[in-house]
Amino acid sequence: GQNIDQPTEMTATEGAIVQINCTYQTSGFNGLFWYQQHAGEAPTFLSYNVLDGLEEKGRFSSFLSRSKGYSYLLLKELQMKDSASYLCAVRSFDTGFQKLVFGTGTRLLVSP
Amino acid sequence: DTGVSQNPRHKITKRGQNVTFRCDPISEHNRLYWYRQTLGQGPEFLTYFQNEAQLEKSRLLSDRFSAERPKGSFSTLEIQRTEQGDSAMYLCASSSDASGNTIYFGEGSWLTVV
Repeated sequence: GQNIDQPTEMTATEGAIVQINCTYQTSGFNGLFWYQQHAGEAPTFLSYNVLDGLEEKGRFSSFLSRSKGYSYLLLKELQMKDSASYLCAVRSFDTGFQKLVFGTGTRLLVSP
Repeated sequence: DTGVSQNPRHKITKRGQNVTFRCDPISEHNRLYWYRQTLGQGPEFLTYFQNEAQLEKSRLLSDRFSAERPKGSFSTLEIQRTEQGDSAMYLCASSSDASGNTIYFGEGSWLTVV
C-alpha cells in the first residue's frame, strides 16, 4: 500500500511564505501532484513533479526528492484567498498506473 | 472546454433508497475516475474507466455500488440501498493522453443519507 503524510493544519500571515511538507512511501513511483481545495469545492490542479528538483509556477513552487520520499509546496506572498486545503497525491505503478492516491490534506489558514 | 460536469450537485435521500450520479467529462478525455471524499479527508479512489472499459475498482466499491460508462463519454455511479455511511462527496475526474499528467476534477455531488 501507500502511506502519505502531511500536516493537518497550518497558519500563516498575509504576505508571508509558507511551506507545506508531504512524505510518502511507495514503490514504482510515477509522479507527485499538489491540488488546492477550497471548502465545498473540487480539488484544482497546482503542480506535478516526477523528477527531483523544484518546479516554479508563479507564487507556487513544488519540490521533490524521490530518494527521500519527500515533497513540499511553497506558497509565496500569501493572500487571503490562499486559505484552503492542500492535497498531496502520489501516482505509482504499485497501486494502478493511472489513479492518484491522496493524503488527508493540509488545511491552511491565512490571517490578515 | 467546459470542464468536468456533475449532477445532481446535492442529493438528500432516505436510507435504503437508490441514488444515481452522472458525470460528463471534458470532451475527448478518454480516462474517467470516481472518487469519494468525506469531511477532513482526502479523496479516496473508487473506480477508473479508460473509454468504456472499467479497468480498476477499489475494494471500497461494495456490491451496492456500480459504475458505467456505456459509450465512453459520460458515466454514472449508482448506489443501491443507501446507508448513512455512504454520505460523502462523490467526485468525478477526467484526463487524457493529451492532458499529460493532469487529472481534472468536477465540482462533486454531495450525498446525504438520512
